[in-house]
Amino acid sequence: KNEVEQSPQNLTAQEGEFITINCSYSVGISALHWLQQHPGGGIVSLFMLSSGKKKHGRLIATINIQEKHSSLHITASHPRDSAVYICAASGGGADGLTFGKGTHLIIQP
Amino acid sequence: EAGVVQSPRYKIIEKKQPVAFWCNPISGHNTLYWYRQNLGQGPELLIRYENEEAVDDSQLPKDRFSAERLKGVDSTLKIQPAELGDSAVYLCASSFAQGGAFFGQGTRLTVV
Repeated sequence: KNEVEQSPQNLTAQEGEFITINCSYSVGISALHWLQQHPGGGIVSLFMLSSGKKKHGRLIATINIQEKHSSLHITASHPRDSAVYICAASGGGADGLTFGKGTHLIIQP
Repeated sequence: EAGVVQSPRYKIIEKKQPVAFWCNPISGHNTLYWYRQNLGQGPELLIRYENEEAVDDSQLPKDRFSAERLKGVDSTLKIQPAELGDSAVYLCASSFAQGGAFFGQGTRLTVV
């Protein structure tokens, strides 16, 4: 069974700061997902990656397969980035997703 | 293209009452998932469908929870009777083959 650990659990930062959220997993995966969850529960998929790095606007996701580690970065953070960020790992064979517990991010103006 | 659609968005019921959630996945997605997310936790898989077949329902509390996916498209998740501990967000997701999962907005259930 895959174990997915996220850190930090809670993060408060000032507007404009560079944000890093980390995710590690215990067994090999086929893909790593970064998800954003706003109050009310809805989840938006930000990235799905299996190697290297992806960028979308101010968001950057990286993954190191050998170290079983991924990071989500937010540049020039803004209060609207305040949300829970969840990483999830999917193994081969469509076993579903194993989720981390999430990082609660608050960006203060 | 419409994403995964769930309804209702919010539901408040008294304990011991039944409740049902509905999910319409993205067209063509053969895999459908129901997750439950308790406050401060990541989502936990309740059941996974491949087309109309439930291929993983090991975490579904079968004494009170039931699910169906008739014709391999829409799905409903039912709780009867609901308990206070069932208060959570219920998320539906769908995917095609080994592709990424797309999530619905979730149904926030409050049992009082």
